[in-house]
Amino acid sequence: GESVGLHLPTLSVQEGDNSIINCAYSNSASDYFIWYKQESGKGPQFIIDIRSNMDKRQGQRVTVLLNKTVKHLSLQIAATQPGDSAVYFCAENNAGNMLTFGGGTRLMVKP
Amino acid sequence: GAVVSQHPSRVICKSGTSVKIECRSLDFQATTMFWYRQFPKQSLMLMATSNEGSKATYEQGVEKDKFLINHASLTLSTLTVTSAHPEDSSFYICSARFISGNTIYFGEGSWLTVV
Repeated sequence: GESVGLHLPTLSVQEGDNSIINCAYSNSASDYFIWYKQESGKGPQFIIDIRSNMDKRQGQRVTVLLNKTVKHLSLQIAATQPGDSAVYFCAENNAGNMLTFGGGTRLMVKP
Repeated sequence: GAVVSQHPSRVICKSGTSVKIECRSLDFQATTMFWYRQFPKQSLMLMATSNEGSKATYEQGVEKDKFLINHASLTLSTLTVTSAHPEDSSFYICSARFISGNTIYFGEGSWLTVV
């Protein structure tokens, strides 16, 4: 259930543009997925979740898409704001009820 | 949303001493709590899973005698770093799962610096 320590890839977007953060998960038996936002020096903050019986879920300014065929998860942020700058992690809940994190993506919003 | 509180948020200790970090679920009961360690610019690394009333399950490579975990109630889990060394300096984060359901919420993390 542990994640692998990796140097984080960075996505740089202009304020007001839409952001798309991608995540590939590993376990085809995973039935629940969560996106977290982590600001510097703070714990992860829940953003949105999706169950495996869905392929899309929308929240406020955020949309999560799930493609089980290719085991791919994405987070779309509409009209990205400076306050959205953070590291974003996807997490999968597998059959053993363990939460496994992806490596994370750093989102930088340029004013 | 649900609140998970960690204390202390920052602690500095001397080499060889032990430090206890608390993780509390403030407005819900959690049968399962998780402890993570995070190095700068890296993802969260699961250290152990803490189940109320039973022994914690440690991930491979994590020394259970060094990182003591106690989950004495449905709202409190503690991580004690024993005989701390400078290499134990890190950001430690706990999370808690609702007693029913899958959603997991995280604490704000605890910065440990061992000097």
